[in-house]
Amino acid sequence: QQQVKQSPQSLIVQKGGIPIINCAYENTAFDYFPWYQQFPGKGPALLIAIRPDVSEKKEGRFTISFNKSAKQFSLHIMDSQPGDSATYFCAASGWDSNYQLIWGAGTKLIIKP
Amino acid sequence: DAGVIQSPRHEVTEMGQEVTLRCKPISGHNSLFWYRQTMMRGLELLIYFNNNVPIDDSGMPEDRFSAKMPNASFSTLKIQPSEPRDSAVYFCASSPPFGGGETDTQYFGPGTRLTVL
Repeated sequence: QQQVKQSPQSLIVQKGGIPIINCAYENTAFDYFPWYQQFPGKGPALLIAIRPDVSEKKEGRFTISFNKSAKQFSLHIMDSQPGDSATYFCAASGWDSNYQLIWGAGTKLIIKP
Repeated sequence: DAGVIQSPRHEVTEMGQEVTLRCKPISGHNSLFWYRQTMMRGLELLIYFNNNVPIDDSGMPEDRFSAKMPNASFSTLKIQPSEPRDSAVYFCASSPPFGGGETDTQYFGPGTRLTVL
């Protein structure tokens, strides 16, 4: 019940395309859903996060879509650029994970020029 | 702000040797996390501290691993004896006290790449 399932494992998109990465969770107590971005040789860094009181959040070219009833959330990258090539992790937390982040397995995204 | 500081950045050692990884969290943060990242297993939480006290060490692989946080500005992760299967990137992360807008955010250090031969 504490798992966060992320897909796909890897994704290749042409520059300008819209990669979509999906995550699903089971624990209804989760109330915080961040996405982290990790470049090679670096630690993950918070990209964007959402709480379940809204269905969508945008920050620049990055959008989280959240479907509470389906217990799913996804990351969309508009007008993707080669510099967006990285590994993306979704995560979730709530009171019964002691607010620890439960991590997805990660998606390696490559944006081709 | 200097961010989370980890040392060493790279460590190569031989099987059976003791390895000590070090972390300095961001000043004012009161939670500290140690993670291990491998291609096969992804990002795994090993242990986390709150106010210098270990809260959850269920992710520590076995007794060869130990972690300490003697004060708010320093933590160590020790592996003794090390084995080739311990080869991975080890990350330390910290987060601020609970009660604000981004209290769930974890700030990661650059990691220590450990190779055990």
